[in-house]
Amino acid sequence: GIQVEQSPPDLILQEGANSTLRCNFSDSVNNLQWFHQNPWGQLINLFYIPSGTKQNGRLSATTVATERYSLLYISSSQTTDSGVYFCAASYSGNTPLVFGKGTRLSVIA
Amino acid sequence: GAVVSQHPSWVICKSGTSVKIECRSLDFQATTMFWYRQFPKQSLMLMATSNEGSKATYEQGVEKDKFLINHASLTLSTLTVTSAHPEDSSFYICSAGDKGSGNTIYFGEGSWLTVV
Repeated sequence: GIQVEQSPPDLILQEGANSTLRCNFSDSVNNLQWFHQNPWGQLINLFYIPSGTKQNGRLSATTVATERYSLLYISSSQTTDSGVYFCAASYSGNTPLVFGKGTRLSVIA
Repeated sequence: GAVVSQHPSWVICKSGTSVKIECRSLDFQATTMFWYRQFPKQSLMLMATSNEGSKATYEQGVEKDKFLINHASLTLSTLTVTSAHPEDSSFYICSAGDKGSGNTIYFGEGSWLTVV
């Protein structure tokens, strides 16, 4: 099955700094999603990005499917960006997402 | 995007009792839903795949008699934790894919279960 690895496991940033989170996956997938989990457990879907590049405000993501990795960029970080970021992949919408172990981000003022 | 609703958000139950968690797709039909479990500071682990009108498929190590899954309609799947014990305390979250949105999978809000 699919294996998903994320790095770094933990990241501490000063407010205003930029960061890059990495996700490696072991197989060809048709679904690659990035999530932010808030302190209440809710998973916020950031990007559906099996390939290519997308941007949403201060966040952007790039997936290079042929090399089986995805990157999540956070620019001008804010304290509200703190939380755990998960990358997850699946073969399709009818197969379950496999999650990485996450990157725990702490943004300090 | 599509909406998946999960209820209850929080539940406390006594050891030995059973508790039911509901997962609904509000604006799309889901023939398949997925149930995950998450322990503190860990990732989400797939428990089972819920199939409408048929038996759920459980991951290795998940007790099917303890975690009963029913997918009676195209918009509702339920997870029942039977004879709950304190070690069953965890965060449970469901998801479903909306075929109309391609391969995107959407998650419910999750349910925090505490067994005392």
